[in-house]
Formats: sequence, structure tokens, C-alpha cells
Amino acid sequence: KNQVEQSPQSLIILEGKNCTLQCNYTVSPFSNLRWYKQDTGRGPVSLTIMTFSENTKSNGRYTATLDADTKQSSLHITASQLSDSASYICVVNQDTDKLIFGTGTRLQVFP
Amino acid sequence: AAGVIQSPRHLIKEKRETATLKCYPIPRHDTVYWYQQGPGQDPQFLISFYEKMQSDKGSIPDRFSAQQFSDYHSELNMSSLELGDSALYFCASSSSGQGKDTQYFGPGTRLTVL
Repeated sequence: KNQVEQSPQSLIILEGKNCTLQCNYTVSPFSNLRWYKQDTGRGPVSLTIMTFSENTKSNGRYTATLDADTKQSSLHITASQLSDSASYICVVNQDTDKLIFGTGTRLQVFP
Repeated sequence: AAGVIQSPRHLIKEKRETATLKCYPIPRHDTVYWYQQGPGQDPQFLISFYEKMQSDKGSIPDRFSAQQFSDYHSELNMSSLELGDSALYFCASSSSGQGKDTQYFGPGTRLTVL
């Protein structure tokens, strides 16, 4: 069964600290993997998109990794800010019209 | 476990026609969200319903309307379709008990307007 599982479900960190979010998937075939940030009441905003051949991609303080062999991805946030408080969703694109969403990790950054 | 169901998965319409997309939330979920994702774009929030009442409104065009029924399923009605309405339409559901932040997304409906 095609699934995308994320951990932890929720996370609280102090401002300035780093954190890493995990995404494991069992989707096949695989086209690309995306990490989205979703603020409450808003639509998801793309942070990174990685294809099968890419294993690291950065976007500012966000760095995503992908291990296509083990079907695992991580999103590392460096020097967290209060504005990083949001849900982070891992989405695997199986083909052009099929996106499989994880249920997200809820991150809260406290001052 | 049951997931969010959307139907149809693919829909082809001509300009000025109408379309109805359906979303069946996870059992016992009381909140439904609709998103539109154009080619190469992030999903844009359209509208949400909680307990059959509209709870939030995003960038939904006036030509679109939606509602949530007594069984919590939701329908997105789109009239006077335009070419620019071609997109993936996602539905997500959540349980107010778990908090609005945990949204479970459906597989999407691909709408193509010719």
C-alpha cells in the first residue's frame, strides 16, 4: 500500500535550536518528494522538491535529504525562528496526477 | 485505515460547463478543506467547513460554491468553467478533537477544462 508516514507527530523546540523531521514512504513508482510548510488556515507552501537522483536540497535554513534506497527523507531546520511554527508535510509524487500526502509534523517554536 | 476519498479522480469539461467534485472525509472527521493546485504551483486554500457550516474562506472564485452535508461529505460546485480552472483539486479532512493542524489529504481530482 502506498503510504507516507511522518514523525514525530508534534514537536516543541526553543527558538534558535535545530530540529529534524522524518518522512518514510512506501510509494512506488516514485517521481519526486516534496516538503511543504503549512500555516494554520493557509494552503501548503513548497519548501523543497527532490527527484530520485537528488539526495540533498537546501532552501535557506531548511535542508531536505532523500535516501531513495531506504525510502526515507528528512527536513532539517537550522536556527529555528518563531515563524517556523507550522505543520510540515511530506508529499510523494507517484506520477503526474497522484500526490500522496503525509499527515504532517506539527512544529511549535517557543521563545 | 480509511482515508479521504475524492471523486471523480479525473474530469474533463468544456468551457462554460459546470463540474461537481466530491469529497468523503475520514470517518468521524468533522472538518473538510478544499485546495486548488495549478501546474507548478502550491496548493491554494479555497474554503473549509466545520460541522456543515462554512468555517473559513480563501481564494475561492464567486463561480464556485461548496457545501458540507449531514454525513460530512462535501461537494465543490464549479460553474462557468474557464481554462484557468484546470488544476488538481485536493480535499483534506480533520477532526476538531485532534486540532485543525492535522489535515489528511485525499488523492485529488484532476480537472481539465478544454
